[in-house]
Amino acid sequence: AQSVTQLDSQVPVFEEAPVELRCNYSSSVSVYLFWYVQYPNQGLQLLLKYLSGSTLVKSINGFEAEFNKSQTSFHLRKPSVHISDTAEYFCAASNTGGFKTIFGAGTRLFVKA
Amino acid sequence: DAGVTQSPTHLIKTRGQHVTLRCSPISGHKSVSWYQQVLGQGPQFIFQYYEKEERGRGNFPDRFSARQFPNYSSELNVNALLLGDSALYLCASSQSGGGAGRETQYFGPGTRLLVL
Repeated sequence: AQSVTQLDSQVPVFEEAPVELRCNYSSSVSVYLFWYVQYPNQGLQLLLKYLSGSTLVKSINGFEAEFNKSQTSFHLRKPSVHISDTAEYFCAASNTGGFKTIFGAGTRLFVKA
Repeated sequence: DAGVTQSPTHLIKTRGQHVTLRCSPISGHKSVSWYQQVLGQGPQFIFQYYEKEERGRGNFPDRFSARQFPNYSSELNVNALLLGDSALYLCASSQSGGGAGRETQYFGPGTRLLVL
């Protein structure tokens, strides 16, 4: 069965510091991988996704994630965070050709001034 | 362009009642998926509909049902409500629903359901 594990429920970090949010997945088949962000009282927004090709994918606001097949990981990183990055981040996976997306439990990123 | 819209935004029901949640996809999108997000957890897949047909179903009891209309809007129905049904219900739309993976899903703001 497919599953997604986010290893940290909360990550506090100071503004302008680097951050890494960890995500591991398990699947016996090829997967697509996603990171979503959820701001308070809002729905989820897609941050970035890995479908195929280059294992390093980037978002327009400075986040990046690297697909590591051997370690079954898809960690999210940002070299310098802003207060506005405070939100809940969800890692998700979907089997190629599948109809459902499996989400992790989420990591709450809290950026302090 | 309008994004995915959901109604109502908030709802309070009592145990045993029935509830209907509504979702309008982005114009041109033919697929709608429903997710349940319990406080402190990630969203859990309930259903996906494409062209009025159910394409996928998650591990939810038969009390949960849904349908999609010719204009691609969708309703999620939950019968015999339990306290554990309290959650944020999210709707997501995508263009063709040809596999949840490749296509980007666009999420609505959700309906927050409280069952007392």
